[in-house]
Parts: sequence; structure tokens; C-alpha cells
Amino acid sequence: DIVMTQSPLSLPVTPGESASISCRSSQSLLHKNGYNFLEWYLQKPGQPPQLLIYLGSNRASGVPDRFSGSGSGTDFTLKISRVESEDVGVYYCMQALQGLTFGGGTQVEIK
Amino acid sequence: QVQLQESGPGLVRPSETLFVTCDVSNYSVSSESLWAWIRRPPGKTLEWIGSIYHDGSTSSNPSLQSRVTISIDLSKNQFSLSLRSVTAADTAVYYCARLKFGTLPLGLDSWGQGTVVSVSS
Repeated sequence: DIVMTQSPLSLPVTPGESASISCRSSQSLLHKNGYNFLEWYLQKPGQPPQLLIYLGSNRASGVPDRFSGSGSGTDFTLKISRVESEDVGVYYCMQALQGLTFGGGTQVEIK
Repeated sequence: QVQLQESGPGLVRPSETLFVTCDVSNYSVSSESLWAWIRRPPGKTLEWIGSIYHDGSTSSNPSLQSRVTISIDLSKNQFSLSLRSVTAADTAVYYCARLKFGTLPLGLDSWGQGTVVSVSS
């Protein structure tokens, strides 16, 4: 089974500043087709998760360009530039190479 | 826009079977997609339960595989989850979702609002 490890657990941020979340997988998520099967989600309070990034670095439809995904293999990063108050919630990474596995989540809150 | 809506029992007794359905609107479940069940136990992270492809083939989390059945009903445009022999550890919010597929997985782009299931006597 592929294990996903996120850090930090909690991330207080100041509006207007940037924030980064790290995600590490126990096995490489780089498929032989050259794509990383890694996705990012945001779950706001009282809502289901929403897709932010797929295939490691592709923004989903309607996602602001403040959100960007990077990394390859086993190490990935989600960066939020110019954090806004609406960005609060729990962020999850998820691998889609073998079944689906989520990371433990990162709680983003406004300072 | 694809819409998904879960229907669940709310409360299930220990050792019984949990059954949840997901109604899909504005998209045919027979179209090329993967339909997934995911849950979030209280205080824990999201957990994949299992998935069914548009062609009816299934896969599931090895930790739950022996208790899980996922099926698809083309006539009702819905898919369903059956989880046998439940315990308190199965208490969670249960979500259904669509994993969009082209030739590559393009993310779980549509989710239901979730249904709360509690296991208690």
C-alpha cells in the first residue's frame, strides 16, 4: 500500500502571504507515461472536498491561479500565493496510482 | 454539471450491513468514469473505500475488501455501497464521487454532500 505523509499538520497564515504544504509518498507516483498520479484537495468546513490540482501540477477548472502544484516521484508541494480568508480548511494530497490514498491533512487557518 | 447525492440509513446496528446509494444527475454512470466511495471517520483523514468503473469492474481498499460490495444500476443512474458486519469504527461521513477519466485520471471532480452514518446499538 502507498502511504501518503503530509506536513505540517497545522499552518497558520497571514492574508496576502504565501503558504506551502508538503506531501511525500512511500512509493514513486511517476507513471511510465511520464505523469505523476498526485492530486490536491481542499475541504472547507461543512463541505465535501474540492479538487484543486490533478496530475501533480494541473489546476482543476475554476481554481484560482494562486494555487500551484509541483514535484515528482515521491515529493510534492502545494503552494498558495497571496492567501485569502476563503482558503481556510483542510488540504489533502491523494495518490491515484494504486487505488486511492489520502494524506493525513493540513489544517490551514488565518492568523 | 454533474451532481451526486448520497442516501444512507443514518444509524446502523453493530454487525449489520450498511447500504448507501449515490444518485447521479446530468451525467450517465455508463459513460467513461470511475465512481468512488470515500469516507471520513470523526477526527481522522479521508479513506477510500472502493470504486466501480463505468463497465462494472470494481476495486476496493484491501483493509475493507472482504466486507465491501459496490454495484452500479444503469436503469436508475446510480451506484451503491454495501458494507457488511459493521462496527463502531465504521462510523463516518460517507461520500460518493466521480473520478474523471480521459486516458489519464483527472481527479475526483464531483462529490456528493456526504451522508452521516453512525454505528451504535
